[in-house]
Amino acid sequence: EAGVAQSPRYKIIEKRQSVAFWCNPISGHATLYWYQQILGQGPKLLIQFQNNGVVDDSQLPKDRFSAERLKGVDSTLKIQPAKLEDSAVYLCASSLALGEQFFGPGTRLTVL
Amino acid sequence: GDSVTQMEGPVTLSEEAFLTINCTYTATGYPSLFWYVQYPGEGLQLLLKATKADDKGSNKGFEATYRKETTSFHLEKGSVQVSDSAVYFCALSGTGGRRALTFGSGTRLQVQP
Repeated sequence: EAGVAQSPRYKIIEKRQSVAFWCNPISGHATLYWYQQILGQGPKLLIQFQNNGVVDDSQLPKDRFSAERLKGVDSTLKIQPAKLEDSAVYLCASSLALGEQFFGPGTRLTVL
Repeated sequence: GDSVTQMEGPVTLSEEAFLTINCTYTATGYPSLFWYVQYPGEGLQLLLKATKADDKGSNKGFEATYRKETTSFHLEKGSVQVSDSAVYFCALSGTGGRRALTFGSGTRLQVQP
């Protein structure tokens, strides 16, 4: 069974530029999560989707971050404009309903 | 809100030594508790979990017991191997529809031959 796919794996941008990350969850998984993991810290939830609806986006900095999950499958996370403090690994996870979460390899973002 | 506190690393042990990584939590209700592991160059993997008080999760020789009275979920292994070198994260998830994980800051384990 294929795991959670993410792309790109690495991205380097300058501050104030925009960037987008893509996630393809495990087939059939209704719930999708985006986490931000800053170096030396544990992952922190940005947003949770159930199918194509948002369940929790209370920690998403909505002035610069946006996310969508059209058709309840793939998801994209966008940052516009990026700040230095956005340098982190962005993790996507998926689960069957509210069960065990399976994580993708992450996208490492460096903002210069 | 919910939070998880785990011991800071790195923890350096010799092969076959006993391992304990402490984890305590603060949460409302009755959360589920997890240990995730991140091997070098790999993604997060679920190591073990416990969903109610006094449950013991176990996998690959690792164990952790859900202690509600002390709000703890300490990770233990009787004899570590070099291949156990990784970063270990304690986490909890709430109940209801919001099942996102709240993670601790991670503990790096280095096992020397």
